[in-house]
Amino acid sequence: EVQVVESGGGLAQPGGSLRLSCAASGFTFSDYWMSWVRQTPGKGLEWVATIKGDGSGKFYVDSVKGRFAISRDNAQNSLYLQMNSLRADDTAVYYCAGGDLDYWGQGTLVTVSS
Amino acid sequence: QAGLTQPPSVSKDLRQTATLTCTGNSNNVGNQGAAWLQQHQGHPPKLLSNRNNDRPSGISERLSASRSGNTASLTITGLQPEDEADYYCSAWDTSLNGWVFGGGTKLTVL
Repeated sequence: EVQVVESGGGLAQPGGSLRLSCAASGFTFSDYWMSWVRQTPGKGLEWVATIKGDGSGKFYVDSVKGRFAISRDNAQNSLYLQMNSLRADDTAVYYCAGGDLDYWGQGTLVTVSS
Repeated sequence: QAGLTQPPSVSKDLRQTATLTCTGNSNNVGNQGAAWLQQHQGHPPKLLSNRNNDRPSGISERLSASRSGNTASLTITGLQPEDEADYYCSAWDTSLNGWVFGGGTKLTVL
């Protein structure tokens, strides 16, 4: 059974940092590109970042370039998102998604507020 | 970054057929195909159909996806109350090197 579980969300101050984690199981993690997708409460989905299976390629939406960093540890079947210089408009539920958005976690809420 | 275009809402009667549309361009839907996601209130998105128009295991046969040029469609036959949800299309954009999403269609089953 496929499981994807995010953690690390919470309250951060503007300009602060958070690190999100995603633990995956039930599929060959290293074979899959992995992504972070966010959703502002009551709004639509927004792609944030994607990393290739071997970690050799990383892609970001323009609004987070230079602030966020996606990484993975295939030995631990884990995906990460380091978020720095957080802004109020980064407030959202962050989902970890595997492959061509085949697998989704339950999401973790990030709130950026003073 | 530009997204895909979906109608904001569709309403259909119980047991009728709904067809949801998603329009992109040759950098995304046109050459990569579109995936369809369903999201019920308070729940994460769930894949209904991948970009090859294949349904994952466990997804109802009442759902079928197709594509013509830069427009993808999701057809749901025999509408049931549980089909009432938000539906999103998505596609990998080879120009942006990222996923683009539609704004979502809220399907109401009357």
